[in-house]
Amino acid sequence: GDSVTQMEGPVTLSEEAFLTINCTYTATGYPSLFWYVQYPGEGLQLLLKATKADDKGSNKGFEATYRKETTSFHLEKGSVQVSDSAVYFCALSERNTPLVFGKGTRLSVIA
Amino acid sequence: DVKVTQSSRYLVKRTGEKVFLECVQDMDHENMFWYRQDPGLGLRLIYFSYDVKMKEKGDIPEGYSVSREKKERFSLILESASTNQTSMYLCASSLEQRGGVDTQYFGPGTRLTVL
Repeated sequence: GDSVTQMEGPVTLSEEAFLTINCTYTATGYPSLFWYVQYPGEGLQLLLKATKADDKGSNKGFEATYRKETTSFHLEKGSVQVSDSAVYFCALSERNTPLVFGKGTRLSVIA
Repeated sequence: DVKVTQSSRYLVKRTGEKVFLECVQDMDHENMFWYRQDPGLGLRLIYFSYDVKMKEKGDIPEGYSVSREKKERFSLILESASTNQTSMYLCASSLEQRGGVDTQYFGPGTRLTVL
């Protein structure tokens, strides 16, 4: 079945550092790809998404590009802030199927 | 803004009790989902529903049941709670897939402790 693998955390960065969180997927068809973020004490919220190969999703300074050839959707941000501290989930969905999530990566940004 | 609300943020129950977790969405979404979130395991799908009175098993339905009598409300039921059901429970909804893919909107979660 479909699956998502993302890098283990926790990831600890200093403010203004560059962030990459790796995500690779396995799917039988052509899934849409998502990054969700969970801030402390809250539910998940959509950060960005991409629905086809070579699409780039972006939001709040975060970016991810749908790479079909490497089955990847890595999350990047050029300069992280303390307020970016959260758990990040990569996910995929094929037509008419619920989301499949990775296990999450906890990011801590220190001032 | 879409709002998904869950009846409790924190809940403590005893082994063997029947537990109801309620979820309500206010945007006329067709689809609703229940997940549990555990450290190191991420989110795992328990049950979902694409329409009123419809339900589908997810990846880990054992020990749970659901009810969807009205479009806006999706209840998760633990018939006889056990300690291994101690977890964070997250409800989500999405508009309608229509053969495509929709963004899911999540509630704040209910942290359930079974003693």
